[in-house]
Amino acid sequence: AQRVTQPEKLLSVFKGAPVELKCNYSYSGSPELFWYVQYSRQRLQLLLRHISRESIKGFTADLNKGETSFHLKKPFAQEEDSAMYYCALSGWGAQKLVFGQGTRLTINP
Amino acid sequence: GAGVSQTPSNKVTEKGKYVELRCDPISGHTALYWYRQSLGQGPEFLIYFQGTGAADDSGLPNDRFFAVRPEGSVSTLKIQRTERGDSAVYLCASSLNSGGVDEQFFGPGTRLTVL
Repeated sequence: AQRVTQPEKLLSVFKGAPVELKCNYSYSGSPELFWYVQYSRQRLQLLLRHISRESIKGFTADLNKGETSFHLKKPFAQEEDSAMYYCALSGWGAQKLVFGQGTRLTINP
Repeated sequence: GAGVSQTPSNKVTEKGKYVELRCDPISGHTALYWYRQSLGQGPEFLIYFQGTGAADDSGLPNDRFFAVRPEGSVSTLKIQRTERGDSAVYLCASSLNSGGVDEQFFGPGTRLTVL
């Protein structure tokens, strides 16, 4: 079965501090992993995906197959990073996304 | 360009009634998805269309739920005999079909409340 777990429902850090949003998954094959973000009063949008291996808005995420994790990191948080973040998985050959329950990130000034 | 649109934005209905939710995908996107998001949860997959056909309907919870996409563009999610547990935000997304797992572009959602 495909499953995505985000252990933190809420995460609060101060501006300028490092932030890490945790994501663990279970899938027997080779998944594709994504981070989606929803800013206040906006629609859900893609932040980054592991195959592109790029940094978006200062965020990076590395797929660790040994630990089945895809944690999202940013070295210096900014107030505009406050949002709801969802980790998602797509199984091989599939198009549907399996989402975690989300983490609400709040950056305090 | 225009993004994915969904109508209505809010729908309040009574238990037992029938509802239709509409999704207008991005022009040229052949893939269309429906998800349901309950309070405090992430989106949950319902059904995926490739063109006019349902390529994966494994997420539909029961036979009260049905979706169509007759011309390969607009899609309608239909819920019969609504129950209070159907209350949720229903999200639609669309994507190109480029062969891999494409970025899905989401609509604003329809908030369904069943009284």
